[in-house]
Amino acid sequence: AQSVTQPDIHITVSEGASLELRCNYSYGATPYLFWYVQSPGQGLQLLLKYFSGDTLVQGIKGFEAEFKRSQSSFNLRKPSVHWSDAAEYFCAGYSGGGADGLTFGKGTHLIIQP
Amino acid sequence: DSGVTQTPKHLITATGQRVTLRCSPRSGDLSVYWYQQSLDQGLQFLIQYYNGEERAKGNILERFSAQQFPDLHSELNLSSLELGDSALYFCASSAQGGYTFGSGTRLTVV
Repeated sequence: AQSVTQPDIHITVSEGASLELRCNYSYGATPYLFWYVQSPGQGLQLLLKYFSGDTLVQGIKGFEAEFKRSQSSFNLRKPSVHWSDAAEYFCAGYSGGGADGLTFGKGTHLIIQP
Repeated sequence: DSGVTQTPKHLITATGQRVTLRCSPRSGDLSVYWYQQSLDQGLQFLIQYYNGEERAKGNILERFSAQQFPDLHSELNLSSLELGDSALYFCASSAQGGYTFGSGTRLTVV
């Protein structure tokens, strides 16, 4: 079965420090992969997406993610976090074909320490 | 503003009742998806419509149904509501694999 796993429920990072949020996927073929961010009481905002091609994907707000087929991973990174980055982050996958919904991970709650 | 509009933003209703949630997709997007977000189940795909036709079903209960109208807006109907149906319901629209989400409808069943 298709699945997306985010191993870390909570991550605490000091402001200005680097960040890496983990995401692993299990799909029969290379899926389309996404990272979304959700602030409290808000909707889901797309940070970046990977469909094919260059395995390092740049997104908004200074985020990037690297697709690693050998590790079935699509980890999200940011070199220096800001207090405003505190939010819930979701990794999601889609197998393609047009008739399917996104499969989401359980999310990682990011806490920023001053 | 994502371009995907959901109404109402909040809804409080009693058990056993029926509600309708509405979604207008981004201009030009033919696909509409519905998702449920709850604390215990996380974000779950419910159903997809494409240009008025049901395209895919996820973990949607039989008490729930949806439709997409000729103007491409969609409605999610939830009936015989239970306390456990309290959740945030998102709509997303899609074009060429990119998904854009609305701000959601928070449903509280009391």
